[in-house]
Amino acid sequence: EIVMTQSPLSLPVTPGEPASISCRSSQSLLRSNGYNYLDWYVQKPGQSPQLVIYLGSTRASGVPERFSASGSGTEFTLTIRRVEAEDVGIYYCMQAQEGFSFGPGTKVEIK
Amino acid sequence: QVQLRESGPGLVKPAETLSLTCVVSGQSVTTDEYWAWIRQSPGGRLEWIGTMSHYGNTYLNPSLKSRVRLSVDPSQNQVSLQLTSVAAADTAVYFCARSSSRTLFGGQFDLWGQGTLVIVSS
Repeated sequence: EIVMTQSPLSLPVTPGEPASISCRSSQSLLRSNGYNYLDWYVQKPGQSPQLVIYLGSTRASGVPERFSASGSGTEFTLTIRRVEAEDVGIYYCMQAQEGFSFGPGTKVEIK
Repeated sequence: QVQLRESGPGLVKPAETLSLTCVVSGQSVTTDEYWAWIRQSPGGRLEWIGTMSHYGNTYLNPSLKSRVRLSVDPSQNQVSLQLTSVAAADTAVYFCARSSSRTLFGGQFDLWGQGTLVIVSS
């Protein structure tokens, strides 16, 4: 089983400032086709999770350009260029390399 | 606008079978997408249960595989989950989700239902 870890688990942010979340996997998520099978989801308060990033770095439909993701293999980062109040929520990374498993989540909240 | 809506009993006794349905509106379940079930424990951890195509191909979490049955009913435009021999550890919010990855193995869950809470208790 591929184990996902995230850091930090809590991230107080100031609106307008950047924010980054780290995600690590216990095995490489890079397939021979060159894609990393890593998604990012956000669960906003009272809502279901929603897709933010797929295949490591591709923004999902409707996701603002201030969101970007990078990384390969076992280490990945989600970055919010300038945090807005609507970005608060719990961010989860999920591997799709072997089954699907989620990280514990990073709670992003406004300072 | 495509929507997913889960429904189920809310309370299930230990050792019984949990049955949930997910009605899909705004899209046929027989398109190229895949349909998944994911649950969230009271502590917030997300756990993938399984993914299926409308052809009946399934991809199941090995830790739950022996207790899970997924099915699709094109006539009702819905997908269903059965989980047998439930225990307290199965208490969770259960979500159905659509995968737009065009494969059973790609993730990319781009649409989720609102979830339905299931409590396992006598």
